[in-house]
Amino acid sequence: DIQMTQSPSTLSASVGDRVTITCRASQSISIWLAWYQQKPGKAPKFLIYDASTLQSGVPSRFSGSGSGTEFTLTISSLQPDDFATYYCQQYNSHSRTFGQGTKVEIK
Amino acid sequence: EVKLLESGGGLVQPGGSLRLSCAASGFFFSNYAMTWVRQAPGKGLEWVSTISGSGISMYYADSVRGRFIISGDSSKNTVYLQMDSLRADDTAVYYCAKDQTVGTRLSGGDASDSWGQGTMVSVSS
Repeated sequence: DIQMTQSPSTLSASVGDRVTITCRASQSISIWLAWYQQKPGKAPKFLIYDASTLQSGVPSRFSGSGSGTEFTLTISSLQPDDFATYYCQQYNSHSRTFGQGTKVEIK
Repeated sequence: EVKLLESGGGLVQPGGSLRLSCAASGFFFSNYAMTWVRQAPGKGLEWVSTISGSGISMYYADSVRGRFIISGDSSKNTVYLQMDSLRADDTAVYYCAKDQTVGTRLSGGDASDSWGQGTMVSVSS
């Protein structure tokens, strides 16, 4: 199975900061990567697919990039609503895997 | 508007069984694969199983293969997860999710664009 590794595990930041989360795949997954946001007690929210395409309705401060084995999620100017845990997920095959998550907390 | 409503969770003893249901509305059910994802308390997301929109193809994580069965009923717009031989490490919130793409992606897998609120499964004696 393809392993997904996110870094950092926790990130402390302030409102207005630019934030970058990295996701690495154990083998090439082309662009078959999605990002989700999850708040405590809630279902995940779909943010980005195909590594860089923003889901409809997601604010433009979110962006994704990368291909192959290295990917990033960037929040250009962190807003109060963005404090949450973020997960990457590969869908290069029928067996999908998630990263372990990155918690973005208030500094 | 897409809506997914899970039910069937609860407390079960190790070795027992449960069947989860996910009632879907707001989209043409047979056009989309449906997926179950779980989250153990305080842990991350784990993909569990996916069924194709046609209901012909099913895929499982190694951790549940041979114990869980995914199925769908297009007449009821409902997907099920039959869970047998349950273990303590199956304890989790189970989410039902709709895959994003009509039909099958080139990649084989897919992202999930809509999620239910989840149902809790606790396995304990």
